[in-house]
Amino acid sequence: EIVLTQSPGTLSLSPGERATLSCRASQSVSSSYLAWYQQKPGQAPRLLIYGASSRATGIPDRFSGSGSGTDFTLTISRLEPEDFAVYYCQQYGSFTFGPGTKVDIK
Amino acid sequence: EVQLVESGGGLVQPGGSLRLSCAASGFTFSSYDMHWVRQATGKGLEWVSAIGTAGDTYYPGSVKGRFTISRENAKNSLYLQMNSLRAGDTAVYYCARGQVVLGAFDIWGQGTMVTVSS
Repeated sequence: EIVLTQSPGTLSLSPGERATLSCRASQSVSSSYLAWYQQKPGQAPRLLIYGASSRATGIPDRFSGSGSGTDFTLTISRLEPEDFAVYYCQQYGSFTFGPGTKVDIK
Repeated sequence: EVQLVESGGGLVQPGGSLRLSCAASGFTFSSYDMHWVRQATGKGLEWVSAIGTAGDTYYPGSVKGRFTISRENAKNSLYLQMNSLRAGDTAVYYCARGQVVLGAFDIWGQGTMVTVSS
């Protein structure tokens, strides 16, 4: 079973700053099957990135995904107030999620 | 509008059963894999079950043998039959659609709360 680890657990940043979130897999993952989701309090998750680097419909281009093998990254180039949320990576070959990274306001 | 709406959550005693429903609209339901994902309060996301377009089903070990996912394409509906419920099954349960290509979960419902308690 592939285990996903996300770091940091919490990222405290200010609006306008760059956010870099990491997702590490316990074994190599096909890039085709790595996704990132955003979840705000009281809301369902929203798909941001699929196939490691493809933005989902309607996702702003300040969100980008990269990586391969066991190391993947979600980058938010300039944080907007609405970007403060929890972010999960997912390996959807076996559907497992990482534990999440909370991005909060510094 | 593409939409998923869950229903059927509630309070159930340990050892009891509950059936969740998910009504789909705005897309060709029969053409998509579908999933259930749960989230305990303050915790992360846990995939619970999947059903393919051909009716093939998949479960993690934590619910295998207790939960059954099914679909009724004529009614654009997804179901989750949950038996032998435990306190640890308490969570918000979301239904989600898998993309046709590559399979990420691109549409989610708003969730329905299941509480297992005596």
